[in-house]
Amino acid sequence: NAGVTQTPKFRVLKTGQSMTLLCAQDMNHEYMYWYRQDPGMGLRLIHYSVGEGTTAKGEVPDGYNVSRLKKQNFLLGLESAAPSQTSVYFCASSYPGQSSYEQYFGPGTRLTVT
Amino acid sequence: AQKVTQAQTEISVVEKEDVTLDCVYETRDTTYYLFWYKQPPSGELVFLIRRNSFDEQNEISGRYSWNFQKSTSSFNFTITASQVVDSAVYFCALRDATNKLIFGTGTLLAVQP
Repeated sequence: NAGVTQTPKFRVLKTGQSMTLLCAQDMNHEYMYWYRQDPGMGLRLIHYSVGEGTTAKGEVPDGYNVSRLKKQNFLLGLESAAPSQTSVYFCASSYPGQSSYEQYFGPGTRLTVT
Repeated sequence: AQKVTQAQTEISVVEKEDVTLDCVYETRDTTYYLFWYKQPPSGELVFLIRRNSFDEQNEISGRYSWNFQKSTSSFNFTITASQVVDSAVYFCALRDATNKLIFGTGTLLAVQP
């Protein structure tokens, strides 16, 4: 099993450009999440999904959109990138509805917006 | 409000020293789960342990041990006889009734040879 994979690993954008980050998992997990990690702030939840076709806002959703068209994939979109979105982005997945289960994380995507 | 506080931003120890990483949490839920994750310099997040709010038994796994105390809302992590490979950022996290993880800001542990 590959676990949770993220594409791309690195990206540099100019202000105003758009891009989509792809997260894929092969563990048949219902729940998927997108976080951003900034120095001194830990990980903060951007959006999450509790199943195919559903999405919900997390702590810092502004400037991002997501889609979960297939159970195994969770896409994070930036329509008009801003320097404040320079960060490391992590995707995670977990089993359904059981808060005891840990989240499995992808390797991260380092995004720089100039 | 749900909150996780890791007051220690950075800790530096010499190899073979014991070190304790502190974690204090706030929640109104009666059922919740606590986690520790490790983030080595390579950047990935590695799950270490979970603990539910009804289980206050301490846990030991090799050189790692965890002390959960509901009375002080703390879930501290101790590494015994630290090694250079333990150098990483360690995150404590709280999973609430809505299944979302709230992370602390992390503690950077540097183990010097």
